[in-house]
Amino acid sequence: EPEVTQTPSHQVTQMGQEVILRCVPISNHLYFYWYRQILGQKVEFLVSFYNNEISEKSEIFDDQFSVERPDGSNFTLKIRSTKLEDSAMYFCASKGGTANSPLHFGNGTRLTVT
Amino acid sequence: AQSVTQLGSHVSVSEGALVLLRCNYSSSVPPYLFWYVQYPNQGLQLLLKYTSAATLVKGINGFEAEFKKSETSFHLTKPSAHMSDAAEYFCAVRTYNTDKLIFGTGTRLQVFP
Repeated sequence: EPEVTQTPSHQVTQMGQEVILRCVPISNHLYFYWYRQILGQKVEFLVSFYNNEISEKSEIFDDQFSVERPDGSNFTLKIRSTKLEDSAMYFCASKGGTANSPLHFGNGTRLTVT
Repeated sequence: AQSVTQLGSHVSVSEGALVLLRCNYSSSVPPYLFWYVQYPNQGLQLLLKYTSAATLVKGINGFEAEFKKSETSFHLTKPSAHMSDAAEYFCAVRTYNTDKLIFGTGTRLQVFP
């Protein structure tokens, strides 16, 4: 069964550094998402992306965050200048072309900011 | 605004016993409701979803959930727990006018032999 793949599985970075989290959504999917889960807390929505633009974003998704689909297969989340509180598990998700299509999640990237 | 409350951060059952994981939602418009499962070191996998069709929804691995509007609940059940059901379970809500899922805090299910 096709799946969403995320790399790396674990990333350690220093505060103030830029990080790029990578995702390869399922190939025929049209909607793409990033969620995050700070340790011990809820899974939180960050951003949704459709037709090469952001369709919705949360208040967490400030100017430090950006997303891109550079080549038609990858979907990336960039954090420009990481803070300690950005440490979390970041999940990429994608879904097909209808509103009620189920979300398929990747296994996540654990980001640790030191 | 929508929200989800999962009562009980940890639930322990014996193998073969009934599993009941509670979820209550709050939504000003008719909700779509979901249960996801997360096994260790894995992503979130959809168990089942309610999207305004039948109120009793059957999912994978023998799980089911019933949408009860009068109680604003969407509890997850399984008649007989299996050791492989041990995982974290998340209830989530979405409405027709947004594409984002709002998750509950999760319930960790432990199954004892």
